[in-house]
Amino acid sequence: EAQVTQNPRYLITVTGKKLTVTCSQNMNHEYMSWYRQDPGLGLRQIYYSMNVEVTDKGDVPEGYKVSRKEKRNFPLILESPSPNQTSLYFCASSLSGRGRGQPQHFGDGTRLSIL
Amino acid sequence: DAKTTQPNSMESNEEEPVHLPCNHSTISGTDYIHWYRQLPSQGPEYVIHGLTSNVNNRMASLAIAEDRKSSTLILHRATLRDAAVYYCILPFSGGYNKLIFGAGTRLAVHP
Repeated sequence: EAQVTQNPRYLITVTGKKLTVTCSQNMNHEYMSWYRQDPGLGLRQIYYSMNVEVTDKGDVPEGYKVSRKEKRNFPLILESPSPNQTSLYFCASSLSGRGRGQPQHFGDGTRLSIL
Repeated sequence: DAKTTQPNSMESNEEEPVHLPCNHSTISGTDYIHWYRQLPSQGPEYVIHGLTSNVNNRMASLAIAEDRKSSTLILHRATLRDAAVYYCILPFSGGYNKLIFGAGTRLAVHP
């Protein structure tokens, strides 16, 4: 089954404790991205990756890092989490990042609470 | 980037058709029109997309106005499972596949 898998689904942690949210897709997609969803602000893109070793900032990249060493994986790293990063996070992928007719597949989300 | 305007909420009865409107009066000639939906506690789910012609798939139909300034997502027979927030999106024109989500339309389906 084609899917985007995120782990963990839920995490409560404390300020400053490094964490990684993993994202994996099994569709051989080139393009992957991370969004965060906050009440009243909708979904906003954090980082995206056009292919292996090619990543770039989205609209709200501050406080986050990403890497793309393999095509299927695109982890989101919070080196020193802060309470304003408490949010619902979604990973997405599509066959290509070029052109605007590419449907995107989303994971089920990771709910992060930073105390 | 071209913006979209959708009603905040709509209601429907189960097994009736639902027409979800979207206005995008500043759409450019190369903008695709995408629809996604988000069920409670889930990630957004792709529904359908089109450029100029009407489109059908197993989930829905997309009717695009001749001037492309508006479109309508049609659910032919609403079910309780169709209760969700529906987003009409024109992907970012900057050369890569970024989706800019607005507030969407919250669809309630009554038994």
